[in-house]
Amino acid sequence: GESVGLHLPTLSVQEGDNSIINCAYSNSASDYFIWYKQESGKGPQFIIDIRSNMDKRQGQRVTVLLNKTVKHLSLQIAATQPGDSAVYFCAEMEGGGFQKLVFGTGTRLLVSP
Amino acid sequence: KAGVTQTPRYLIKTRGQQVTLSCSPISGHRSVSWYQQTPGQGLQFLFEYFSETQRNKGNFPGRFSGRQFSNSRSEMNVSTLELGDSALYLCASRINLGNTEAFFGQGTRLTVV
Repeated sequence: GESVGLHLPTLSVQEGDNSIINCAYSNSASDYFIWYKQESGKGPQFIIDIRSNMDKRQGQRVTVLLNKTVKHLSLQIAATQPGDSAVYFCAEMEGGGFQKLVFGTGTRLLVSP
Repeated sequence: KAGVTQTPRYLIKTRGQQVTLSCSPISGHRSVSWYQQTPGQGLQFLFEYFSETQRNKGNFPGRFSGRQFSNSRSEMNVSTLELGDSALYLCASRINLGNTEAFFGQGTRLTVV
């Protein structure tokens, strides 16, 4: 199947804490796994991706971890800020000639001061 | 560089009518995808066009159709509107198939009454 799901619909954290957003996927044929952020009134915005042959990738304040054994993806945000409040989507891109992006249902991150 | 532009931003239609939504991708981007976003279903993939050809299709009925023009601009059409078609329709462009970074427009909010 192509389902990409999320464990928690809402995550509330305090400013300065580290946030971890989790995602389960079912399509082992995916080449890439990606995280997007959607702020209120805007379209989703690319954050970071990881290729299926990697376990970890770091960006600016974000780290994505991929565990292919249990088909689990996570996004870690360091020192969470109020501006990080948004809905986060994990997505996967299938390999081969199709390469469409399939998104999960989203997790809302609420950051309180 | 202009972003992805979707028109109109808001639409109210009556059940049974048809509607056409428009999307202008970022200049140079050849892939345009359409997604339906609802609170309960997240981002559902509708279809993707590349070089005027539909390359990927989601699990939506035939009432949903689209096309892409030679300048990469895309339109999607929904015929015989149903109440359940009320949603935010998002368009995303990528430079090419296989790029993980998709750039989204702000969407068209369609309300069917």
